[in-house]
Amino acid sequence: KQEVTQIPAALSVPEGENLVLNCSFTDSAIYNLQWFRQDPGKGLTSLLLIQSSQREQTSGRLNASLDKSSGRSTLYIAASQPGDSATYLCAVGVQGAQKLVFGQGTRLTINP
Amino acid sequence: KAGVTQTPRYLIKTRGQQVTLSCSPISGHRSVSWYQQTPGQGLQFLFEYFSETQRNKGNFPGRFSGRQFSNSRSEMNVSTLELGDSALYLCASSLVDSLNTEAFFGQGTRLTVV
Repeated sequence: KQEVTQIPAALSVPEGENLVLNCSFTDSAIYNLQWFRQDPGKGLTSLLLIQSSQREQTSGRLNASLDKSSGRSTLYIAASQPGDSATYLCAVGVQGAQKLVFGQGTRLTINP
Repeated sequence: KAGVTQTPRYLIKTRGQQVTLSCSPISGHRSVSWYQQTPGQGLQFLFEYFSETQRNKGNFPGRFSGRQFSNSRSEMNVSTLELGDSALYLCASSLVDSLNTEAFFGQGTRLTVV
């Protein structure tokens, strides 16, 4: 059974810092990994999708890496801004099943 | 291009009642998935539909059901509501399926059971 873990559960940093969010999964048989952002009471906004054959993806100040063999992914946020405050979720696409398995998320607070 | 639309946004129901939630995917997307989000359990997969066929179902009781129409719109139904069904229900659409292509989520329906 695929399990996804995100550490830390919460993170608070001052504005301008670069930061890394971590995601680990137990089964390397994944189709892809997707990072999402969720603002309080809202839906999920897709940030980056990494296919299983890829090692990283970049979008603006965001960079996500994937190491299937070790079951890890990281989301790097450069030059953080207060608007980046949200909960960040990673999800893996499970081979053999039409579903995403989510981590519990990291609640990020960027202090002005 | 319109995103994923879920209606209604908020619902309050009484225990024992039933409820129907609706999801309109992004135009051209044929896969629709449903997830339940609660503070304790996080996001849990309910079911996935593609071309009106349910391809996978999560570990939820039979009170939870769904369907997909020929225009890819989907509905989920919860019968005999329990207090524990209070949650944010999220719908996601993708071009083919959520594994090979990016999944896009709606704003969710907040269901409160009293």
